[in-house]
Amino acid sequence: AQSVTQLGSHVSVSEGALVLLRCNYSSSVPPYLFWYVQYPNQGLQLLLKYTSAATLVKGINGFEAEFKKSETSFHLTKPSAHMRDAAEYFCAVCSSGTYKYIFGTGTRLKVLA
Amino acid sequence: NAGVMQNPRHLVRRRGQEARLRCSPMKGHSHVYWYRQLPEEGLKFMVYLQKENIIDESGMPKERFSAEFPKEGPSILRIQQVVRGDSAAYFCASSPFGGFDNQPQHFGDGTRLSIL
Repeated sequence: AQSVTQLGSHVSVSEGALVLLRCNYSSSVPPYLFWYVQYPNQGLQLLLKYTSAATLVKGINGFEAEFKKSETSFHLTKPSAHMRDAAEYFCAVCSSGTYKYIFGTGTRLKVLA
Repeated sequence: NAGVMQNPRHLVRRRGQEARLRCSPMKGHSHVYWYRQLPEEGLKFMVYLQKENIIDESGMPKERFSAEFPKEGPSILRIQQVVRGDSAAYFCASSPFGGFDNQPQHFGDGTRLSIL
């Protein structure tokens, strides 16, 4: 069975500081992995996806994530936080050839001025 | 989001009433997925539909919930005799093909359902 664990339901960083949001997955088959961002009262917007090509994936808004099979991790990073990055971030896993996304419980990012 | 359209954005119902949530997929997408997000939780898969077919409803509660995706018109998620525990955000997603084909699911802005 697949699962996703996001460590830290709330993360606060100062504006300009490094953002690190953690995601660990469990999958018996090679996974596809995603990070989505959700702004208040909006839907989910895709930040980036890993589909077994390059292990370092670059997404929108300056975010990137690295797939580490040995650690079963797919942590999301951004070198310098901006106020507009304040939102909730969800990690999701999906097996190749299937459609059912398994989401983590989300991490709410707060950016301090 | 110029893609997946959901309406209404907010829906208030009293216990025992029916709730109907609509989803129009992105143009060219024929596969629709419904997810539910309870407060402080991630999204949970409910049902996967293609036009006129339910492919997988393993995440749907056994009673009161139903979904359809007719040949014409939007997909509908229907909740009969709503209870307080149905209060949640319901998201619809769509994709051009079924199964993962390197094209991720695109999500709508959701319907926030509140039960009084």
